[in-house]
Amino acid sequence: NAGVTQTPKFQVLKTGQSMTLQCAQDMNHEYMSWYRQDPGMGLRLIHYSVGAGITDQGEVPNGYNVSRSTTEDFPLRLLSAAPSQTSVYFCASSGSEVGSFVFFGQGTRLTVV
Amino acid sequence: ELKVEQNPLFLSMQEGKNYTIYCNYSTTSDRLYWYRQDPGKSLESLFVLLSNGAVKQEGRLMASLDTKARLSTLHITAAVHDLSATYFCAVNSGGSNYKLTFGKGTLLTVNP
Repeated sequence: NAGVTQTPKFQVLKTGQSMTLQCAQDMNHEYMSWYRQDPGMGLRLIHYSVGAGITDQGEVPNGYNVSRSTTEDFPLRLLSAAPSQTSVYFCASSGSEVGSFVFFGQGTRLTVV
Repeated sequence: ELKVEQNPLFLSMQEGKNYTIYCNYSTTSDRLYWYRQDPGKSLESLFVLLSNGAVKQEGRLMASLDTKARLSTLHITAAVHDLSATYFCAVNSGGSNYKLTFGKGTLLTVNP
């Protein structure tokens, strides 16, 4: 039982490049979310999904796309990377029951130069 | 808009001392989470608090929730160096587990 798995762990991009951050969970959770963590800012919600085929925007969605074709996977796409997207990205998943913990992946540290 | 404020943001403690971290939130919510994060690591779940008056304890950490005051506390008893980390509280929106609003975190340093 791996929990929430993110790849890659580290990535350096040039401005304007695109890439996909991968996230997979093996707990059969309905809910999955992407957050970014910047120094002194806590975590901020980018996009979330309440089930396969259903996604919605969070607090800071600009410059990012998501899709959810399966329960297990929730990739985050950066369309045209900008230095402002330099951050640590965390994927999270949880069940729908009240009181469920929200589990986080190990994070992807992204630098845009 | 839901806002979550933690204080203090920085806390330097001596081993053996007690202290409390406070988490205030601005709108009604039905659950509150506490997490621990070590440098360069992921977030580790500590507690989920669901109801007014809820109290949970794990080792030297005890969390409580007052939904009427929109306040949660994380109390540290007889601190040890291993508790040094950043602690976050997070509050859900709209009865969901998928939309959390986080505080900025409290960087706790426990000195010998």
